[in-house]
Amino acid sequence: DAKTTQPPSMDCAEGRAANLPCNHSTISGNEYVYWYRQIHSQGPQYIIHGLKNNETNEMASLIITEDRKSSTLILPHATLRDTAVYYCIVKDTDKLIFGTGTRLQVFP
Amino acid sequence: NAGVTQTPEFQVLKTGQSMTLQCAQDMNHEYMSWYRQDPGMGLRLIHYSVGAGITDQGEVPNGYNVSRSTTEDFPLRLLSAAPSQTSVYFCASSLTRGWNQPQHFGDGTRLSIL
Repeated sequence: DAKTTQPPSMDCAEGRAANLPCNHSTISGNEYVYWYRQIHSQGPQYIIHGLKNNETNEMASLIITEDRKSSTLILPHATLRDTAVYYCIVKDTDKLIFGTGTRLQVFP
Repeated sequence: NAGVTQTPEFQVLKTGQSMTLQCAQDMNHEYMSWYRQDPGMGLRLIHYSVGAGITDQGEVPNGYNVSRSTTEDFPLRLLSAAPSQTSVYFCASSLTRGWNQPQHFGDGTRLSIL
């Protein structure tokens, strides 16, 4: 079973920051938090991952709480092309266990 | 650099037929895996491989076989297709196994079993 809990859907205005929350209260010390997104029925696209420090790349930022029980993915300036299902995943050694994700709708 | 390539993109089979879904990567990745995605659901792991000659079962392995004779290729075989295997199949790879290795996905094979 997935080790994460996400809201089923969220809306965001174009140009605004999208903040997607994720709870992972049973995460263990070696497990990383990964974020992927899936646009329509395309293959999942890797966004970012982290262990305990905040991470930033060209796509997004990942904020992990100090106790590591939750995290937030931040898309700083959402565009219509960011409309997708976003999956927060705690990686089980070498397996990705997907939940049902958050459907993010970016509106004009 | 093509990344992860899956063929075919679409396939329709009759119940009882067999077929092989192809997956190839050109990134010299040791780890490869197969997932299926049913409508409205997240991906579920079918089989995975941590290197040539090594395979293991995932969450939903029944009805599927895999082999890994080369680093580049990881085919998925359906020996006797059933309507319950109608799904979208995704292949993924990462440089090695482990927690700190992101997996990269192909574009999928859309399979319908009649």
